[in-house]
Amino acid sequence: KQEVTQIPAALSVPEGENLVLNCSFTDSAIYNLQWFRQDPGKGLTSLLLIQSSQREQTSGRLNASLDKSSGRSTLYIAASQPGDSATYLCAVRGDDDKIIFGKGTRLHILP
Amino acid sequence: DVKVTQSSRYLVKRTGEKVFLECVQDMDHENMFWYRQDPGLGLRLIYFSYDVKMKEKGDIPEGYSVSREKKERFSLILESASTNQTSMYLCASSLGDRSYNSPLHFGNGTRLTVT
Repeated sequence: KQEVTQIPAALSVPEGENLVLNCSFTDSAIYNLQWFRQDPGKGLTSLLLIQSSQREQTSGRLNASLDKSSGRSTLYIAASQPGDSATYLCAVRGDDDKIIFGKGTRLHILP
Repeated sequence: DVKVTQSSRYLVKRTGEKVFLECVQDMDHENMFWYRQDPGLGLRLIYFSYDVKMKEKGDIPEGYSVSREKKERFSLILESASTNQTSMYLCASSLGDRSYNSPLHFGNGTRLTVT
């Protein structure tokens, strides 16, 4: 059974720093991995989707990488801003068609 | 932009009531999903649907049913609400492409409280 883990559960960094969020999964038979952002009390906003054949995807200050063989993905945020404060979740879609989520990393950018 | 709309942001119901949570998407997506999100447990899949009148159980279907009579609408039904169904409910949709590389798009969620 696929398990998705995000460590740490919470992270605080000063504004302007670059940072990396981690996501690991136990079963490498995945179709894709998606990163989301969730603001308090709201739904999830899709940030990036990496297909299983890809190594990375970029959008603005965000870069997501995927190493399927080791069961790891990272989300790199450059030049962090207070508006980046949110919970970040990763989700993997397996060959059983189910999409399994990690529990998220709560990010706080200190002004 | 894809829009997934959940009919209520907040809902308060009494134990034993029948509850309907509605979700509509405007991008002709084949796939629709219902999740619940609880502190410490993350998102858990309740039901999903890949086509009209089609449904599949997720990881926690007990106490729930769903209806998909039209492609754009996916309803979650709590037949007899219980306090342990107090939660944030999230609806999502995606294209039904064979490559399974269509991103998931979420609604804003419905926070349901059962008293």
